Amino acid sequence: DQQVKQNSPSLSVQEGRISILNCDYTNSMFDYFLWYKKYPAEGPTFLISISSIKDKNEDGRFTVFLNKSAKHLSLHIVPSQPGDSAVYFCAATPGAGSYQLTFGKGTKLSVIP
Amino acid sequence: GAVVSQHPSRVICKSGTSVKIECRSLDFQATTMFWYRQFPKQSLMLMATSNEGSKATYEQGVEKDKFLINHASLTLSTLTVTSAHPEDSSFYICSVLTGYGYTFGSGTRLTVV
Repeated sequence: DQQVKQNSPSLSVQEGRISILNCDYTNSMFDYFLWYKKYPAEGPTFLISISSIKDKNEDGRFTVFLNKSAKHLSLHIVPSQPGDSAVYFCAATPGAGSYQLTFGKGTKLSVIP
Repeated sequence: GAVVSQHPSRVICKSGTSVKIECRSLDFQATTMFWYRQFPKQSLMLMATSNEGSKATYEQGVEKDKFLINHASLTLSTLTVTSAHPEDSSFYICSVLTGYGYTFGSGTRLTVV
């Protein structure tokens, strides 16, 4: 049973437009959420995170929104750039002494020039 | 953040042989390291938590006798896939948790023929 779900395996967006990547979770114990970016044959690199006490966190072109009641979070990239093309993983952790990350399956983003 | 070096990046081995993967934390003394496995188009799945100087903690369904983990120093953890089979072919990634968050190695692509 997948506790972190990314239901869109792929997404194509025109350069300059907004990319919205979605993530749903089922475990109500999760209280810290992270987004990672991954290129082929490389490990994931951290992008942005959000704690459950917040509903929004922004870092440059990247904004993560969290809707706790819906157990849903989303990553917005605006404006999208060709270099953003990668696989994006949503991850969650219960925190509170647990260091284990649970990942979604990832969404492959293609930004078309 | 920490720099994590993983070696080799790619390995092909014959069925029945053993393969060792190294994960080094270059600038951070890591008492805990994590080993993940990713099958194609799947999420990164935590295999085990490696603890310096003590036994690793394995996730449910991961055979500890098949995936041997040694964390003998604060900068090195090794994962040995013993008696490898083609179904062990996967992308293996290690991770270090620091005060700045999780840093991942670049991964090892294992192919068992």
